[in-house]
Amino acid sequence: NAGVTQTPKFRILKIGQSMTLQCAQDMNHNYMYWYRQDPGMGLKLIYYSVGAGITDKGEVPNGYNVSRSTTEDFPLRLELAAPSQTSVYFCASSIQGAPGNIQYFGAGTRLSVL
Amino acid sequence: GESVGLHLPTLSVQEGDNSIINCAYSNSASDYFIWYKQESGKGPQFIIDIRSNMDKRQGQRVTVLLNKTVKHLSLQIAATQPGDSAVYFCAENSGGSNYKLTFGKGTLLTVNP
Repeated sequence: NAGVTQTPKFRILKIGQSMTLQCAQDMNHNYMYWYRQDPGMGLKLIYYSVGAGITDKGEVPNGYNVSRSTTEDFPLRLELAAPSQTSVYFCASSIQGAPGNIQYFGAGTRLSVL
Repeated sequence: GESVGLHLPTLSVQEGDNSIINCAYSNSASDYFIWYKQESGKGPQFIIDIRSNMDKRQGQRVTVLLNKTVKHLSLQIAATQPGDSAVYFCAENSGGSNYKLTFGKGTLLTVNP
């Protein structure tokens, strides 16, 4: 079972560059999420989606954009990379109506902006 | 806003000992609590959950205890093994239509051989 797959695993960007972090899940989950994790800190929600065509902001959306054209894919876009966006990014998914909303995570994308 | 926190940021134990990782929560409306394990360089992995109408739930070598009176959650790992070394997060969900989780910062568990 693939679960949640994130690409790339690592990336170095220069300030001002753009990139898209890819996330795909094969569990037919309605809900998908993007988090960032800074060293020694907890997960902070960037954006989430409750289904194809529906997205909403989380705690820290500034500097990011998302789209959800299919159930499986939820890419995260950085338009003008800044050093403050250096972090580890995790994508997660969960199934609608599941007790407790247990989320399943990908392996992460480690991004450095220099 | 409401938040989930941890009493101890680091915990070091000897292989074979039992480990107890604590978590405090402040949202009395939280309906579910979840423990995740995050190994170095990997994403968080679901371990066990507990609903607010339960005091205790057991899994394989893990037990979660919930004390709603003092808003405290703990994860007990029996016979801790080197493979248990990781950061452990608690998360809370307020249930109903709330599909978001609030995560704590995590406790780093180190198991010494």
